Amino acid sequence: DIRMTQAPSSLSASVGDRVTITCRASQSISIYLHWYQQKPGKAPNLLIYAASNLQSGVPSRFSGSGSGTDFTLTISGLQPEDFATYYCQQSYSAPYTFGQGTKLEIK
Amino acid sequence: QVQLVQSGAEVKKPGASVKVSCKASGYTFISYYVHWVRQAPGQGLEWMGIINPTGGSTSYAQDFQGRVTMTRDTSTSTVYMDLSGLRSDDTAVYYCARSLTLRKAYYFDYWGQGTLVTVSS
Repeated sequence: DIRMTQAPSSLSASVGDRVTITCRASQSISIYLHWYQQKPGKAPNLLIYAASNLQSGVPSRFSGSGSGTDFTLTISGLQPEDFATYYCQQSYSAPYTFGQGTKLEIK
Repeated sequence: QVQLVQSGAEVKKPGASVKVSCKASGYTFISYYVHWVRQAPGQGLEWMGIINPTGGSTSYAQDFQGRVTMTRDTSTSTVYMDLSGLRSDDTAVYYCARSLTLRKAYYFDYWGQGTLVTVSS
């Protein structure tokens, strides 16, 4: 199985900050890496697919980059509604594993 | 609009089975695969398996092999996930989610609202 490791596990930031979350795969997954946002009690919401493609309807302050084993999700200009947990997921090979999550909290 | 609507919460005893449904609407049912993902309380996301609504073929994560069965009813655009031999650590919210059918492009653009399954004696 491909192991996905996110860093950090938690992060405190302020409204307006720029934050970066990283996701590392245990083997190369090309660009088959996707990012989700999840708020308490809700289903995850797709933000970025195939490493760098912004899902329709997602604000442009979210961006993704990377390929191979190392990926980043960047939020430029944090908004109050961005405080949530973020997950990466690989679709290179089954089982389609997720990272353990990064909880973004208000400082 | 695209919707995946799941069945309601369940409470089961250890050793029992549970069947969760996921009714799709707002898109062509056979044009997307459906996956099941679960989330234990306070934990991360765990992929369980995938079903192709066209022919009903399935693929399951090794951790669930022998205990999970995914089926579909094309007449009602509904997918089902049946999990048997329930244990306390199966207590989780179970989500259905759809993906494209393109191999490797299995990202989930629409999700069900989740179904809480509680396993307790």
